[in-house]
Amino acid sequence: EAEVAQSPRYKITEKSQAVAFWCDPISGHATLYWYRQILGQGPELLVQFQDESVVDDSQLPKDRFSAERLKGVDSTLKIQPAELGDSAMYLCASSLGTLKNTEAFFGQGTRLTVV
Amino acid sequence: GEDVEQSLFLSVREGDSSVINCTYTDSSSTYLYWYKQEPGAGLQLLTYIFSNMDMKQDQRLTVLLNKKDKHLSLRIADTQTGDSAIYFCAEKGYSSASKIIFGSGTRLSIRP
Repeated sequence: EAEVAQSPRYKITEKSQAVAFWCDPISGHATLYWYRQILGQGPELLVQFQDESVVDDSQLPKDRFSAERLKGVDSTLKIQPAELGDSAMYLCASSLGTLKNTEAFFGQGTRLTVV
Repeated sequence: GEDVEQSLFLSVREGDSSVINCTYTDSSSTYLYWYKQEPGAGLQLLTYIFSNMDMKQDQRLTVLLNKKDKHLSLRIADTQTGDSAIYFCAEKGYSSASKIIFGSGTRLSIRP
């Protein structure tokens, strides 16, 4: 069964360092999402791509976060510099992105700990 | 703005039915989802319902939608220990560009 792949699964970094997460969506999925999930809360959207274009990045802290999906396939989310409050699970999801097929499938996530 | 609310905890006895409730505010919500998250894992899509439906059944899962009250529920029949997890309600608008908005999750625990 096709899955959304994320790496790394776990990352520990010191504050003020740079960190990057990678996501490979299910093949053929046009829509890609990056969510942040703080412990005990629901996921919150950081950025949404349709193919290589950003559709929604209104909740992305652009002073330190960046995301790209250059060829409309895999995506990278970067934080520079990391802050203690960035400790969370970062979840990537993808969907076909059509009106009839909107189900989003999630990867296992990257758990980030900033120390 | 859009908001999705759920109660934080639910405890049921093994073999009983579990009912997890959710309310949402966006009247343009078209797709409503239930996701399950086990400890340390990503979110698993359990089921979803379109806003023009009242009910959807899938094996042990029954989703009920009251569009007038913007209330969604997930019933799990014959709850088992493997059902212990956090359950998230989520909603999405009609456009393919609409984002999926999640509730804060309901932690379901099973008593023997």
